[in-house]
Amino acid sequence: AQTVTQSQPEMSVQEAETVTLSCTYDTSESDYYLFWYKQPPSRQMILVIRQEAYKQQNATENRFSVNFQKAAKSFSLKISDSQLGDAAMYFCAYRSAGAQKLVFGQGTRLTINP
Amino acid sequence: EPEVTQTPSHQVTQMGQEVILRCVPISNHLYFYWYRQILGQKVEFLVSFYNNEISEKSEIFDDQFSVERPDGSNFTLKIRSTKLEDSAMYFCASPDTLRTQYFGPGTRLLVL
Repeated sequence: AQTVTQSQPEMSVQEAETVTLSCTYDTSESDYYLFWYKQPPSRQMILVIRQEAYKQQNATENRFSVNFQKAAKSFSLKISDSQLGDAAMYFCAYRSAGAQKLVFGQGTRLTINP
Repeated sequence: EPEVTQTPSHQVTQMGQEVILRCVPISNHLYFYWYRQILGQKVEFLVSFYNNEISEKSEIFDDQFSVERPDGSNFTLKIRSTKLEDSAMYFCASPDTLRTQYFGPGTRLLVL
């Protein structure tokens, strides 16, 4: 079974600085998708970024980018120019290309210090 | 971002009662998913539903749970006899054309 591990329960960063959240996963498959979701205090799950495993190029969405290392099974999220609104729980998620369900990590609580 | 809606936003119920949670997925999509998140824990997959049939379910999705599509647009998750441990956020999700799942705002269920 696939597993997703987020080893940092909590992270904090100064406003305007850069922070990287870690995620590793375990799978025997070669075709899959990886995601980062943001969960603010409202508890809604908001898609931040997605990465297809077959793409070597790292995905970027404005201030958010990933470092996808397929061989190492690592998928970290970098947030540049951190803003107060970035404060939230961040969940890494995996989906096999042939499956429907998302498998989530335990989450990292990100605090932004003004 | 595609919109998924859920009702109610909050529900309080007594143990043993039935609850029905509703979801309106991205329009014209036949797939939808239910997840739950117990407070302070990770999000867990419950079930996926495609074209009026369950396509995949987890071990959490036991006989007290059921999913239906009562009409052309709404999907429901029913919990027949709620237990204290069913207290959680329940999320509906719907995929876009790239099968990226977008989540609704969730229903916060509290079982007393």
